Amino acid sequence: SQQGEEDPQALSIQEGENATMNCSYKTSINNLQWYRQNSGRGLVHLILIRSNEREKHSGRLRVTLDTSKKSSSLLITASRAADTASYFCATDAGNTGKLIFGQGTTLQVKP
Amino acid sequence: NAGVTQTPKFRVLKTGQSMTLLCAQDMNHEYMYWYRQDPGMGLRLIHYSVGEGTTAKGEVPDGYNVSRLKKQNFLLGLESAAPSQTSVYFCASALPWGTGQEKLFFGSGTQLSVL
Repeated sequence: SQQGEEDPQALSIQEGENATMNCSYKTSINNLQWYRQNSGRGLVHLILIRSNEREKHSGRLRVTLDTSKKSSSLLITASRAADTASYFCATDAGNTGKLIFGQGTTLQVKP
Repeated sequence: NAGVTQTPKFRVLKTGQSMTLLCAQDMNHEYMYWYRQDPGMGLRLIHYSVGEGTTAKGEVPDGYNVSRLKKQNFLLGLESAAPSQTSVYFCASALPWGTGQEKLFFGSGTQLSVL
């Protein structure tokens, strides 16, 4: 079964607005990662947050992790049309890189 | 530096036919994975390998076999294709966990249709 559940399933915003997507998971984790997938392409790693971290930044991305609630959020600030893609969270509970992916959030940024 | 290369990119099979998907990586990664992606299901792990000559089952291994005879290659086989195996298949590779580089590098996918 899927480890992560993402919310919302789809999000449509205007360029310049912020986009927030959430991920909930079920079991204890070592780290949680976010990936991006452009239509028809493979996934690309965006950011990793470890279980002992609460917040992490990378450029226009901000990720938070609340292990007590088993949830994470990805914030994309000042969105651009080029941010249009699907975003997936993935949880890592072991040491063999067996990432379990959520169903993803499809983001559309309108110019 | 090509990264992770999957062949073929598209394939149509008839029920009962067999085929092999090839994944090659040129980053000297120890770990390799096969995922399938279905609409609304995210990615599900089929099989994975933590080194040459080793393989292990993921979430949805039934109907698939894999081999990792060379470090750079990871093959996914369908012995008798079924319509339920219609999907997009992604290969990924990674450095060993614990190196501080715990992330997957993905290929561009193989679209497989089984009629």
